[in-house]
Amino acid sequence: ETGVTQSPTHLIKTRGQQVTLRCSSQSGHNTVSWYQQALGQGPQFIFQYYREEENGRGNFPPRFSGLQFPNYSSELNVNALELDDSALYLCASSLRTPTDTQYFGPGTRLTVL
Amino acid sequence: AQSVTQLDSQVPVFEEAPVELRCNYSSSVSVYLFWYVQYPNQGLQLLLKYLSGSTLVESINGFEAEFNKSQTSFHLRKPSVHISDTAEYFCAVSGRIQGAQKLVFGQGTRLTINP
Repeated sequence: ETGVTQSPTHLIKTRGQQVTLRCSSQSGHNTVSWYQQALGQGPQFIFQYYREEENGRGNFPPRFSGLQFPNYSSELNVNALELDDSALYLCASSLRTPTDTQYFGPGTRLTVL
Repeated sequence: AQSVTQLDSQVPVFEEAPVELRCNYSSSVSVYLFWYVQYPNQGLQLLLKYLSGSTLVESINGFEAEFNKSQTSFHLRKPSVHISDTAEYFCAVSGRIQGAQKLVFGQGTRLTINP
């Protein structure tokens, strides 16, 4: 069984640029959630994808967007990067049930200069 | 809305000593609670979870947590810690937003084990 994988591991961008982060879900999981973890903080929910559609979003602006593909992998896109977007971005996969565990990938460390 | 408060940002203990990491939650719906561990430069790993049934849940590496509904707490304990337990620990409660099931995390507790 393959776990959740994310790419790239690290990324450095400058303010105003755009970035795409990628996530491959665990085998058998149909739901992907994205979280932002700023330094010294707990992860914050960005949004969740199920059957290729966004089905819930946290308090993040529209410049944070995503996609889910038929194989359940997912992308997180961030436009017009700001310095405060510097964080660890975590992807988690699960089944779409309230009691199912979310399994996290290793994360992508984004630095915005 | 759900929220989680981890009462200690840092907990230093000596090796083989007992430890308790405190977590209080707020939720107006059915409560599902989780503890995740994050080792340096890694993602989150599930340590244990409470969904229903017995209020005492255990992990495979000696941690346990007790769900206390009256005190809205889910404290994590281990009777004897090892150097390898050094990590950041996050308590989380499951919440619903629109059609999504999300996790609401606390700020984390950094557990440092001294030899």
